[in-house]
Amino acid sequence: NAGVTQTPKFRILKIGQSMTLQCAQDMNHNYMYWYRQDPGMGLKLIYYSVGAGITDKGEVPNGYNVSRSTTEDFPLRLELAAPSQTSVYFCASSYSTGDKNIQYFGAGTRLSVL
Amino acid sequence: GNSVTQMEGPVTLSEEAFLTINCTYTATGYPSLFWYVQYPGEGLQLLLKATKADDKGSNKGFEATYRKETTSFHLEKGSVQVSDSAVYFCALTTTDSWGKLQFGAGTQVVVTP
Repeated sequence: NAGVTQTPKFRILKIGQSMTLQCAQDMNHNYMYWYRQDPGMGLKLIYYSVGAGITDKGEVPNGYNVSRSTTEDFPLRLELAAPSQTSVYFCASSYSTGDKNIQYFGAGTRLSVL
Repeated sequence: GNSVTQMEGPVTLSEEAFLTINCTYTATGYPSLFWYVQYPGEGLQLLLKATKADDKGSNKGFEATYRKETTSFHLEKGSVQVSDSAVYFCALTTTDSWGKLQFGAGTQVVVTP
């Protein structure tokens, strides 16, 4: 009964370092999403994917990259980390779109860039 | 473009009080509307949804009615419990947005015994 699994839960990076946030889902969902959540703000979409091999930019993609080689995994890559990337990152997946779109979220990764 | 506006929090209530969280939206297409809830330290989870005008979504004692004429989807609960303390997010998606959700800023609700 795993659902959407994100690792790590917490991470501290130095400015200029890079890292990959992992996301895996076991529900055979086609659609996957990465969001960031800043204090007092709603979630902003970073990247999304409509299936293996297909990704597209969301609202705030700068400084991030993604890949989707399998249905299950959707890693988010941070290159040259900056303090502005300090945030909580959520991965989500859904079976479909429109009125059948129920997104299932992971527990989040809390990232600090110092 | 699409946008969602929620009332600011925190909203602090006593147990058994009535809760209303206002949500209004603008959308280019015909939206489906959602309320998600985030409990402390957890990810978001769907609370309820409505997909067409005058639909009422309900779950766990919470209700929200899709009002097209006022472009609103206000969340209500008649008697809150301490366990309802969480952040509540209103969100929408449209048929042309490839499943992407547009979220409001979230409203923190604190229920005291």
